[in-house]
Amino acid sequence: QVQLVQSGPEVKKPGASVKVSCKASGYTFTNYHISWVRQAPGQGLEWMGWINAYNDHTRYAQQFQGKVTMATDTSTSTVYMEVRSLRSDDTAVYYCARTVGSADPSYYYYYMDVWGKGTTVTVSS
Amino acid sequence: DIQMTQSPSSLSASVGDRVTITCQASQDIRNNLNWYQQRPGKAPQFLIYAASNLGSGVPSRFSGSGSGTDFTFNITSLQSEDVATYYCQQYDTFPLTFGGGTKVEIK
Repeated sequence: QVQLVQSGPEVKKPGASVKVSCKASGYTFTNYHISWVRQAPGQGLEWMGWINAYNDHTRYAQQFQGKVTMATDTSTSTVYMEVRSLRSDDTAVYYCARTVGSADPSYYYYYMDVWGKGTTVTVSS
Repeated sequence: DIQMTQSPSSLSASVGDRVTITCQASQDIRNNLNWYQQRPGKAPQFLIYAASNLGSGVPSRFSGSGSGTDFTFNITSLQSEDVATYYCQQYDTFPLTFGGGTKVEIK
């Protein structure tokens, strides 16, 4: 079955970086994008960006430009996201999500149909 | 960025009740809207795409409608397993943005 398995929890100090992984299985890895969505404690969902697993093209939300880097390893069907210069307000659960879509203007859609269980990142001194 | 406003922020209803959640976009997003369910302590799950199209395997008691700036999500007969927070999300314009969520509880 389609599955996204994320790496384990992380505790980091302010100013450090963290790299979270998301290993895909059960489908053709290069046929989809992978989005990253985070959720601060008690808060809603925030889309950070996505990577096209076919060509490694990325698209980041403006607030994450320069702070986040997404990359793929097609040999292991794994997506990585690095978040740099961590602050306390980066404390959140980070989810990866397979993103289905079509940019064809006549049939335009994108949705996140399969999600990982999330990786808790805690930033604390 | 497009702002998505959901109401109410929370509601309490009885099993079997019809539940309605609204989602308003800050600008016209055509029908480029999805809905997700997040049960307590769990990852979100996909429900509906393009405002009204049910995802594969999603129970038919869930439905969505709307276009432009105003959207509605319905649960026709609330079940205990529907206790969750529901989020709308637009994909008309980047960045993709979510509503603030509506928490649904059983009365």
